[in-house]
Amino acid sequence: QVQLVESGGGLVKPGGSLRLSCAASGFIFSDYCMAWIRQAPRKGLQWVSYVCSSGTTIYYADSVKGRFTISRDNAKNSLFLEMDSLRAEDSAIYYCAKIVQGDYYLDVWGQGTTVTVSS
Amino acid sequence: EVGVTQSPATLSVSPGDRATLSCRASQIINANLAWYQQRPGQAPRLLIYGASTRATGIPARFSGSGFGTEFTLTISTFQSEDSAVYYCQQYNNWLPATFGQGTKVEVK
Repeated sequence: QVQLVESGGGLVKPGGSLRLSCAASGFIFSDYCMAWIRQAPRKGLQWVSYVCSSGTTIYYADSVKGRFTISRDNAKNSLFLEMDSLRAEDSAIYYCAKIVQGDYYLDVWGQGTTVTVSS
Repeated sequence: EVGVTQSPATLSVSPGDRATLSCRASQIINANLAWYQQRPGQAPRLLIYGASTRATGIPARFSGSGFGTEFTLTISTFQSEDSAVYYCQQYNNWLPATFGQGTKVEVK
């Protein structure tokens, strides 16, 4: 079945770095744009970044631009988020999600990985 | 950026009753609206897309309506398992495709 599994979250100090991964299965990964969505504690959903199939179309939220880098490895059915210069306000659950072709809603979500930025 | 506003913030519903949730966009988005359900401790899941089309496996008690700027999600016969936060998301303008702030639906 279609599945997304995130990993790589953890506790990091302000200014530190983390690399999140998302392993995809059950669909042709290279055909789809993929997104990272985050949810701060007791807050709503926020787009962080997305990348389309070729890797040439990329979006970043203003709040992470210049600090986060999204990438994908279509041969390994994997999505990544490199997070640098982390701040307390980056603390959240980070979800990997599959974007429907031709539209920008999300039909498959992973279970999420938690990032905590604290000294 | 298209603003998306949901109301009410919290809705208390008795089992068997109808629940009606609203979502308003700050500009016309045609039918490019999705609804998601997020149960406690779980990831969001897609309920509705295209304002009114149920996603695969979603029970018929969930229905969506609306066009332009005003949208509604209706749970026709509320069940306790429907207790969750519901988010709408516009995707007419997808840089970014903004989410509403959510409506929490709880058992009365």
